Order: sequence, then C-alpha cells, then structure tokens
Amino acid sequence: KQEVTQIPAALSVPEGENLVLNCSFTDSAIYNLQWFRQDPGKGLTSLLLIQSSQREQTSGRLNASLDKSSGRSTLYIAASQPGDSATYLCAVRPRETSGSRLTFGEGTQLTVNP
Amino acid sequence: GAGVSQSPSNKVTEKGKDVELRCDPISGHTALYWYRQRLGQGLEFLIYFQGNSAPDKSGLPSDRFSAERTGESVSTLTIQRTQQEDSAVYLCASRYPGLAGSLRSGELFFGEGSRLTVL
Repeated sequence: KQEVTQIPAALSVPEGENLVLNCSFTDSAIYNLQWFRQDPGKGLTSLLLIQSSQREQTSGRLNASLDKSSGRSTLYIAASQPGDSATYLCAVRPRETSGSRLTFGEGTQLTVNP
Repeated sequence: GAGVSQSPSNKVTEKGKDVELRCDPISGHTALYWYRQRLGQGLEFLIYFQGNSAPDKSGLPSDRFSAERTGESVSTLTIQRTQQEDSAVYLCASRYPGLAGSLRSGELFFGEGSRLTVL
C-alpha cells in the first residue's frame, strides 16, 4: 500500500526566503506525482505535475524534483511572498496496472510573514 | 465552464436526511474522482470513474454512500441517512487525458468542493 509523507507539517518563514517542502512515498512504481496548494476553505489548485520519466518541472518561482529510486520529491519555492501562504499537498498516482486512486500526503502548512 | 464545477457549495442538513452532491467535470476529461476531506485532515479517496469502465468504489465508507456518472458527463454523490461523521468537504476532480507521454497527461483539476454539515 502506497504511503505518502510530507515534512514538515508546518513551516513559518519571513518574506523573501527560499524554502523546500518535502514529500516521500513508499512505492516507487508511480505514473506521476503532482503538487497542489490549498487555501483555507477552498479546493486544490494544481501547481506542478511530474511524469515518472522526468526529474523536475518548473513554473515561475516553483521548482519540483522527483527521485523515484529514493521515493522523494521536493518543492522549491524561491523568494517567498505572503501570498504563498497556504497548505501544500503532494499526490502520487500509481502505474495504470496498479490501480487508479491517487494517494495524498497530509500537507505542509506554509506561512510567509511580511 | 472552464473548470470543475461542484454544487451546492454549502449544504446543512439534519441527521438522517439524504443529500446529493453534484460534480460537472471539465469537458473531455474521461476520468473523475471523488474525495472527502474532514476538518483539519487529509484527502480520503471515495470513488473513481474512467469512461464507461466499472467504477472503483473501494473507498466508499459504507453502503449509505453511492455515486453515479453517465458516460463522461456529470457525476452525483449521494449520501443516505446522513450521520454527523459525514460532515466534511467533498471534493471532485477530473483528469486531463492528453496524449501518452505528454507533459500534462494525467493532470488532476479539482473543484471548490461541497461543504456538508450534518446537525
């Protein structure tokens, strides 16, 4: 059974700092990994999707990496801003032959202080 | 519409009543998921639809829960005889099919959720 762990559970940083969020998974047989942000009372917004054949993806100030062999992904946020404050979730999708459900981590709650 | 649409956004009901939640996926997205998120907790898988294949219902917590989807269109999640522990946000997501190997293939898009409160 796939298990996804996100560390830390909460993080508070001053504005402008670069930071790294971690996601680890136990089964490396994945199809892809996706990072989301969730604002309070809202749904999930897709940030980055990494296919199993890729090592990283970038979008603006965000960079996500994937190391399947070690079961890890990181989300790097450069020059953090107060508007980045949210909960960040990673989700792993298994290979098609292994089922359909995505497994989510519990999330990292990020606060960026002005 | 451009995104996944869910209704109602908020529903307050009395214990024992039935509720129906609706999800309208992005046009052309063949796969659809329902998840539940209790207050302060992570996402809990409920059910998955893929085209005309038999749905994966393995996450439904009890026989009070059921879901339907006709083809690649709207899905409804029904909870019968609601209990207080059913209170949660119910999230729907549809999946971008894309071409195999494309960078966006398999990306999930979520709706804003339906917040259910059972009194």
